[in-house]
Amino acid sequence: KQEVTQIPAALSVPEGENLVLNCSFTDSAIYNLQWFRQDPGKGLTSLLLIQSSQREQTSGRLNASLDKSSGRSTLYIAASQPGDSATYLCAVKPSGNTPLVFGKGTRLSVIA
Amino acid sequence: DTAVSQTPKYLVTQMGNDKSIKCEQNLGHDTMYWYKQDSKKFLKIMFSYNNKELIINETVPNRFSPKSPDKAHLNLHINSLELGDSAVYFCASSVAGLRVEKLFFGSGTQLSVL
Repeated sequence: KQEVTQIPAALSVPEGENLVLNCSFTDSAIYNLQWFRQDPGKGLTSLLLIQSSQREQTSGRLNASLDKSSGRSTLYIAASQPGDSATYLCAVKPSGNTPLVFGKGTRLSVIA
Repeated sequence: DTAVSQTPKYLVTQMGNDKSIKCEQNLGHDTMYWYKQDSKKFLKIMFSYNNKELIINETVPNRFSPKSPDKAHLNLHINSLELGDSAVYFCASSVAGLRVEKLFFGSGTQLSVL
């Protein structure tokens, strides 16, 4: 059974810092991996989707990497801003007709 | 324009009541979902519909009954509400095909059962 773990559960950094959020999954048989952002009282917004054949995806200050064989992904946020404060969730799409499996998220606070 | 909209945003009700949450998407997607996020923020899928047909039912109690009148709508009806049903319920949609599954989420319905 696929399990997704995110470390740390919470992170607080000063504005301007570069930071890395970690995601690990137990079964490497996946179609893709996604990173989402969740703001309080709001739904999830998809940030980056990495197909199983890809190593990384970039969008602005965000860079997500995928090492499928070791079951790891990282989300790198450059030059963090207070507006980046949110919960970041990682989700994997297992092979087969099974739905996304989510991690519990990392709650990020960027302090001005 | 809101891509995935769900109503109501907040729902407070007594144990034993029956309630419904509505969801609509204007993205032209074929697949819609209901997710439950519990107090520990763990997000789990409940149901998935593709073109009005149920394709995933993740061992959800029979008290929960999804209804899809057309592929743009997926409503969730809950009978005999229990305290443990308190959670945030999210509707989502995606382009047909579970393989890609880039999801677009609604803003959630916070259900509190007293």
